[in-house]
Amino acid sequence: SQTIHQWPATLVQPVGSPLSLECTVEGTSNPNLYWYRQAAGRGLQLLFYSVGIGQISSEVPQNLSASRPQDRQFILSSKKLLLSDSGFYLCAWFNRQGISYGYTFGSGTRLTVV
Amino acid sequence: GESVGLHLPTLSVQEGDNSIINCAYSNSASDYFIWYKQESGKGPQFIIDIRSNMDKRQGQRVTVLLNKTVKHLSLQIAATQPGDSAVYFCAEGRILGNTGFQKLVFGTGTRLLVSP
Repeated sequence: SQTIHQWPATLVQPVGSPLSLECTVEGTSNPNLYWYRQAAGRGLQLLFYSVGIGQISSEVPQNLSASRPQDRQFILSSKKLLLSDSGFYLCAWFNRQGISYGYTFGSGTRLTVV
Repeated sequence: GESVGLHLPTLSVQEGDNSIINCAYSNSASDYFIWYKQESGKGPQFIIDIRSNMDKRQGQRVTVLLNKTVKHLSLQIAATQPGDSAVYFCAEGRILGNTGFQKLVFGTGTRLLVSP
């Protein structure tokens, strides 16, 4: 079966500390992968997407970076966190089931920068 | 979980009522549209989608209507239940060329509150 895993579920980090969030998918190959951020009570903002190993596209300039070291692994990183990096981070992959298209989202990581 | 969304429009209904959640989209070139449900502290879950060449699609207790003339999308939930309480997002998607790459742009969401 096709699944997506994201961890950790919650994270509290001090300002200036590094960040690494990991996302892996199973049951598929060469997936399109995405990182979204959701501020409290807001919609989802696309941060990065990747169509393959080593291929990263950034949607908005920011303090974060992404990497795709393996086909089914997508990592969100920062060298020095800012207070404004707090939010709910979601990894997603695009899948097609029959005539339906859509994203499957991970369970999310709630990041609080203090 | 998620904090209360002070910026989200809210729809309050009684259990058993039908709910209609609306969404306006901006890109007339979007190929498909999706509704997602997000419960507090969780990732969004796929509810139903509709292609741009359709105007209606039905699922279990849900119906999505697409009006391309006015760029409007709606989600109808029949016999709303307390478990339907969540934030609902519409998203518009595009299929880019031969790469098959898909990108979704999400609306800001509507909070549905169902009271018993």
